Amino acid sequence: GQQVMQIPQYQHVQEGEDFTTYCNSSTTLSNIQWYKQRPGGHPVFLIQLVKSGEVKKQKRLTFQFGEAKKNSSLHITATQTTDVGTYFCAGQDGMNRDDKIIFGKGTRLHILP
Amino acid sequence: KAGVTQTPRYLIKTRGQQVTLSCSPISGHRSVSWYQQTPGQGLQFLFEYFSETQRNKGNFPGRFSGRQFSNSRSEMNVSTLELGDSALYLCASSRRDSSYEETQYFGPGTRLLVL
Repeated sequence: GQQVMQIPQYQHVQEGEDFTTYCNSSTTLSNIQWYKQRPGGHPVFLIQLVKSGEVKKQKRLTFQFGEAKKNSSLHITATQTTDVGTYFCAGQDGMNRDDKIIFGKGTRLHILP
Repeated sequence: KAGVTQTPRYLIKTRGQQVTLSCSPISGHRSVSWYQQTPGQGLQFLFEYFSETQRNKGNFPGRFSGRQFSNSRSEMNVSTLELGDSALYLCASSRRDSSYEETQYFGPGTRLLVL
């Protein structure tokens, strides 16, 4: 079945440095979503990408969807302590509306002051 | 509008017992998905219900079951609990019935501890 791999598993950065997490699928995705989970909290939706090569920005966050719709990345510029948490990507397993959504294992971001 | 609610928030059970968790989705959402989250395994998909029918199922044993009611509320049941079932159980609701409206809204979760 489909697998969604996310790297790195952990990342420590100094406050102010940039951070990137990558998501790779074994199959073509119809869309990909990104979620953030703060420590002790639940995943919260950040964004959804649908089109091949799509790039979306949310303030310091930049999301990209690969041309082949098999990979995606989330880049945070000038990290802040509020960025701490685990970032998950999630892809729909197949092209049908009914297909299940598969989550990557997440990248846990630690910010060093 | 109100978010996804889950009850109970915390639960302690012993091995061999069974447990039922409840999830009320956002009004108007017909899809409810259940996930098990553990530190080592991340978010693992259990199953999805849509309009009272199980639409997708993950790779969990038959001890894990669920159902959805006509008002879209969903319950998840785990029978014959094992120590390894200790986890945070999250439910997520979504529309899943219109173009690209795949956003999942998660509830706060039920933290289950099996002793």
